[in-house]
Amino acid sequence: QVQLVESGGGVVQPGRSLRLSCAASGFTFSSYAMHWVRQAPGKGLEWVAVISYDGSNKYYADSVKGRFTISRDNSKNTLYLQMNSLRAEDTAVYYCARSTGNYYDSSGYYYDAFDLWGQGTMVTVSS
Amino acid sequence: SSELTQDPAVSVALGQTVRITCQGDSLRSYYASWYQQKPGQAPVLVIYGKNNRPSGIPDRFSGSSSGNTASLTITGAQAEDEADYYCNSRDSSGNVYVFGGGTKLTVL
Repeated sequence: QVQLVESGGGVVQPGRSLRLSCAASGFTFSSYAMHWVRQAPGKGLEWVAVISYDGSNKYYADSVKGRFTISRDNSKNTLYLQMNSLRAEDTAVYYCARSTGNYYDSSGYYYDAFDLWGQGTMVTVSS
Repeated sequence: SSELTQDPAVSVALGQTVRITCQGDSLRSYYASWYQQKPGQAPVLVIYGKNNRPSGIPDRFSGSSSGNTASLTITGAQAEDEADYYCNSRDSSGNVYVFGGGTKLTVL
């Protein structure tokens, strides 16, 4: 069964750290770039970070740069998000998502997408 | 970083056609992808690329793009299509991604 399962969420005090995990199954995890996306309560989706299939390239949203680190262990089929210096505004459901891979079509456009999502894990930052 | 702008809410009569739009400078170089999210559920990809539907997505969903605007069209909207819809694309740098603010679709 092709799926992503997040874990590691919970309640944490401001300034503390938390590590999220995303276990992949049913597909060749090491062939896909992976993302983290979050959604604050009652708000829209916010992209957080992406890591290339082999972990060599990582990019972050400005809102988390310098505080969050995305990583992966392809031998364990697992994606991680290390979150440090947490703030109240980091409170959200965190989803991991698989990338379709990058495409370029004859019209001169690039495209990719998030084609598989986990169920999400809730992170609450509160004293 | 660039932004993607969506109308906050759109409504459609049952069985009619509705278009949800997404505007942003990066859409001149990158196709948008579209996601449907129902309350309490994870998002689901419905359209990506020029007009590609993942397996299992009904063919009443279609996508198009012109200039800085991407559109998601639902032809013959059904009650089960009532949901929040988000567009996504890379920003102009090509390294980071951005979501639109989302459009709440109501099927009357």
